[in-house]
Amino acid sequence: DIQLTQSPSFLSASVGDRVTITCRASQGISSYLAWYQQKLGKAPKLLIYAASTLQGGVPSRFSGSGSGTEFTLKISSLQPEDFATYYCQQLDSYPYTFGQGTKLEIK
Amino acid sequence: EVQLVESGGGLVKPGGSLRLSCVASGFTFSTYNMNWVRQAPGTGLEWVSSISSISRSIYYADSVKGRFTISRDNAKNSLYLQMNSLRAEDTAVYYCARLWFGELGDAFDIWGQGTMVTVSS
Repeated sequence: DIQLTQSPSFLSASVGDRVTITCRASQGISSYLAWYQQKLGKAPKLLIYAASTLQGGVPSRFSGSGSGTEFTLKISSLQPEDFATYYCQQLDSYPYTFGQGTKLEIK
Repeated sequence: EVQLVESGGGLVKPGGSLRLSCVASGFTFSTYNMNWVRQAPGTGLEWVSSISSISRSIYYADSVKGRFTISRDNAKNSLYLQMNSLRAEDTAVYYCARLWFGELGDAFDIWGQGTMVTVSS
């Protein structure tokens, strides 16, 4: 199975900050990676697919990059509504594993 | 409106069974692969099972293989998860999610609101 490791697991930041979350795969997955945002008590929401393609309706302050085994999610200028937990997911092969999550908190 | 609505969760004793349902609306259900994903309290997301559009291909996580069965009824726009031999560690919110085959890559683009399953004596 392909393991995904996100870093950091917790991130404290302020409104307006630029933040980066990393997701590393245990083996190459080309660009078969998606990023999700989950707020407390809600279902996950798709942000980015194919490593770098923004889902429709997602603000342009979100961006993704990477291929192979290393991927990043960047938020260029944090807004209050961005404080949530973020997950990466590989869709290269079953089982479709998720990273352990990165909780983004307000400093 | 594109929507997935789960139901069937509840409290069940260890060793018991439960059947979850997910009803789709607003899109052509029969053309999409579907999935179940769960989230134990205070933890991350765990993919559970996938089924292709016409049920030809089915996959399970090792943690549920042999105990859970995924199925679908395209005539009823419905996805199911039959859960047998339930354990305390199966306690979680269960989400159904649509697998979208995008031009550049795939993703779970539509999620239901989730249904809570609690396994406890």
